[in-house]
Amino acid sequence: ETGVTQSPTHLIKTRGQQVTLRCSSQSGHNTVSWYQQALGQGPQFIFQYYREEENGRGNFPPRFSGLQFPNYSSELNVNALELDDSALYLCASTTAGGSTDTQYFGPGTRLTVL
Amino acid sequence: GENVEQHPSTLSVQEGDSAVIKCTYSDSASNYFPWYKQELGKGPQLIIDIRSNVGEKKDQRIAVTLNKTAKHFSLHITETQPEDSAVYFCAAPLYTGTASKLTFGTGTRLQVTL
Repeated sequence: ETGVTQSPTHLIKTRGQQVTLRCSSQSGHNTVSWYQQALGQGPQFIFQYYREEENGRGNFPPRFSGLQFPNYSSELNVNALELDDSALYLCASTTAGGSTDTQYFGPGTRLTVL
Repeated sequence: GENVEQHPSTLSVQEGDSAVIKCTYSDSASNYFPWYKQELGKGPQLIIDIRSNVGEKKDQRIAVTLNKTAKHFSLHITETQPEDSAVYFCAAPLYTGTASKLTFGTGTRLQVTL
């Protein structure tokens, strides 16, 4: 098991609502990435946070936003939820240093949008 | 950006047999290739990775080979056991800014039967 933790484990929301997911990185890791994993698919990169700033973004709309705190933990916020946002949301932590850093994933938050 | 293709999508082997999963990538600049195992209800777990300065890496029953010329890499599991049953994902770096982000394949569901 990695030291990456996520909360909550499961969440049910209705269309149009807003949601906040949380992630605590592994000890010693200063970079957090968020991924969306739809059922039966591989994880897709949403964005990454390093030194409390967004450091790269995938093909996701602005209603997906995030924060990183001084202790390196992070939040993913999704506004105006749509049915297609139903997925497993994963965070991964690493130490920033280049393109070959190993990423360690948390257990994920299962979001269901009704 | 990087594009990763993974085959097969499902693989059924008998206990004790070998399993091979193959991936191809598109960006010749990619230099780091991890493999993750994902069990039901859990986040992806790193099982092995390889960097582009080596052609093969082995860890007990698991090995990964890399052919940079052909831009493909493979996961080999020998002497499979029922606990190897899971979904396996390959990945390659996604270059947006600094620090590692990953593009994942679509996954291979491995079933090891008794």
